[in-house]
Amino acid sequence: QKEVEQNSGPLSVPEGAIASLNCTYSDRGSQSFFWYRQYSGKSPELIMSIYSNGDKEDGRFTAQLNKASQYVSLLIRDSQPSDSATYLCAVNTPLVFGKGTRLSVIA
Amino acid sequence: DTAVSQTPKYLVTQMGNDKSIKCEQNLGHDTMYWYKQDSKKFLKIMFSYNNKELIINETVPNRFSPKSPDKAHLNLHINSLELGDSAVYFCASTPGLAGGPQFFGPGTRLTVL
Repeated sequence: QKEVEQNSGPLSVPEGAIASLNCTYSDRGSQSFFWYRQYSGKSPELIMSIYSNGDKEDGRFTAQLNKASQYVSLLIRDSQPSDSATYLCAVNTPLVFGKGTRLSVIA
Repeated sequence: DTAVSQTPKYLVTQMGNDKSIKCEQNLGHDTMYWYKQDSKKFLKIMFSYNNKELIINETVPNRFSPKSPDKAHLNLHINSLELGDSAVYFCASTPGLAGGPQFFGPGTRLTVL
């Protein structure tokens, strides 16, 4: 059974701080990794994808992948109240989702 | 607008009824999915179709039957609805066969009374 584990939170950070979200996965053969953001009552929205070891940056978001440790993380710099949502880690194939980490950014 | 769309957005029905949810994508993607998100917000894959062919069929009661008339449409029919079927059902699509990012529809909130 392929599993993706995330801390459910809530993770509370002050506005302007760095939020760090973590995810581990069980299938060592996984090749594709994604972070989705889901606001309450809305559908998951893709914010980052990463396929190789290392860091990938996009604006205030940085995804980090370490396949040896089976670990993927998402850093959100300069966190804003609008970043408050549930962040879902997903690993292929087919996509297996973690249960999500609820992030709360306090103004 | 290019998107994944679903109808209806809300569905309230009695136990034992049969209902359908429709999904359409105009992104030109080859693969479509149905997911169920339960009250604890856990998102779990149910089915996947690639070019009208069923490629993923997770452990789902056979009261659930997907149908894909063409690669842009994927419908979900549910027979004999039960209380435990209450959830949000998301349709998603991805280019290619699998392994790529998925794009989700707005969801259908099903409530079984």
